[in-house]
Amino acid sequence: DTGVSQDPRHKITKRGQNVTFRCDPISEHNRLYWYRQTLGQGPEFLTYFQNEAQLEKSRLLSDRFSAERPKGSFSTLEIQRTEQGDSAMYLCASSLVQGRETQYFGPGTRLLVL
Amino acid sequence: KQEVTQIPAALSVPEGENLVLNCSFTDSAIYNLQWFRQDPGKGLTSLLLIQSSQREQTSGRLNASLDKSSGRSTLYIAASQPGDSATYLCAVKDSNYQLIWGAGTKLIIKP
Repeated sequence: DTGVSQDPRHKITKRGQNVTFRCDPISEHNRLYWYRQTLGQGPEFLTYFQNEAQLEKSRLLSDRFSAERPKGSFSTLEIQRTEQGDSAMYLCASSLVQGRETQYFGPGTRLLVL
Repeated sequence: KQEVTQIPAALSVPEGENLVLNCSFTDSAIYNLQWFRQDPGKGLTSLLLIQSSQREQTSGRLNASLDKSSGRSTLYIAASQPGDSATYLCAVKDSNYQLIWGAGTKLIIKP
């Protein structure tokens, strides 16, 4: 297994368009997290799944944002009607709920909304 | 509300020096603390994880300490190398099992 992967790595879109990002976690990991990171800041938690269940959503996740993990494997994060303030790096991480539960991060998707 | 602060925001040192990065947090009710490394435009790599009951963890030239009562952690890097140049972030896992992050320290090691 090569780790957590994210697609696309970069996305440029015009304000008002919808975008969808994909995350493929490490195969045996049952937890999957989405974070957003803006320049010069640490990541901010958006939401997480345990298997296919979305267990928590941050207040940062407005109704324009939706995340799914339909079969408990890959996940998608969709942003509808994008705004310039959505420009950020979107990071995905996965973990195995046992022991220390270290989160392993993907390379991120950098979104630029024009 | 848990807040995590990292000082300094940036640090530049000559190759070979030992250095210390600082992380402080406001609520001592944490499950663990992790140090991560982030290279430009890339994701995060976990370096060290310290459970709340532990005082320190070591991996190679890295040593992380945790003083939960004072809300502080340090990351010590021995014999720094240009390849250590990156942004170092600390994150605490709070009582809601969420990771709360600092803004990071950007480290530059000059050859």
